[in-house]
Amino acid sequence: AQTVTQSQPEMSVQEAETVTLSCTYDTSESDYYLFWYKQPPSRQMILVIRQEAYKQQNATENRFSVNFQKAAKSFSLKISDSQLGDAAMYFCAYRRQGAQKLVFGQGTRLTINP
Amino acid sequence: DVKVTQSSRYLVKRTGEKVFLECVQDMDHENMFWYRQDPGLGLRLIYFSYDVKMKEKGDIPEGYSVSREKKERFSLILESASTNQTSMYLCASSLARSSSGVGYNEQFFGPGTRLTVL
Repeated sequence: AQTVTQSQPEMSVQEAETVTLSCTYDTSESDYYLFWYKQPPSRQMILVIRQEAYKQQNATENRFSVNFQKAAKSFSLKISDSQLGDAAMYFCAYRRQGAQKLVFGQGTRLTINP
Repeated sequence: DVKVTQSSRYLVKRTGEKVFLECVQDMDHENMFWYRQDPGLGLRLIYFSYDVKMKEKGDIPEGYSVSREKKERFSLILESASTNQTSMYLCASSLARSSSGVGYNEQFFGPGTRLTVL
């Protein structure tokens, strides 16, 4: 069975600085997708960024980028120029190609210090 | 914009009660999901449905059942609520296939229902 591990329950960063959230996963599949979801306090979970495993290029969405290391089964999220609105729970998730369900990590609570 | 709504944000029930959690999506998505979210455990899939009247067990289906009589609505049922079912419940929906045919299909989440069973 696939598993996703986020080893940092909590992280904090100063506003305008850069922070990296870690995620590792375990799978025997070669085709899959990886995601980072953001859950702001009392608000709905939204997709931040996704990565297709067959793509070597790391995905980027504005201030958010990933470091995808397929051989190491690592998928970290980098947030540049952190803003107060980035404060949230962040979840890493995995989906096998052809499957519908997501497998989530435990989550990392990110605090932004003004 | 995709909208996924859940019937209640907060719910308090007694042990042994039958509890219904409702989820509605307005984007004609084939797939709908129920997760529970607990601190330190992340989100775990309870059940999902890929079509009307079709369902599949997720990772933690014990103590729960589901109903999908209409495409837009997916209900989670706790037949006899217990205190260990106190949790945050999240509903999500997605297309079965992306419009581009690539296979990626984003899951859209509702706001969640925080259920407390006393």
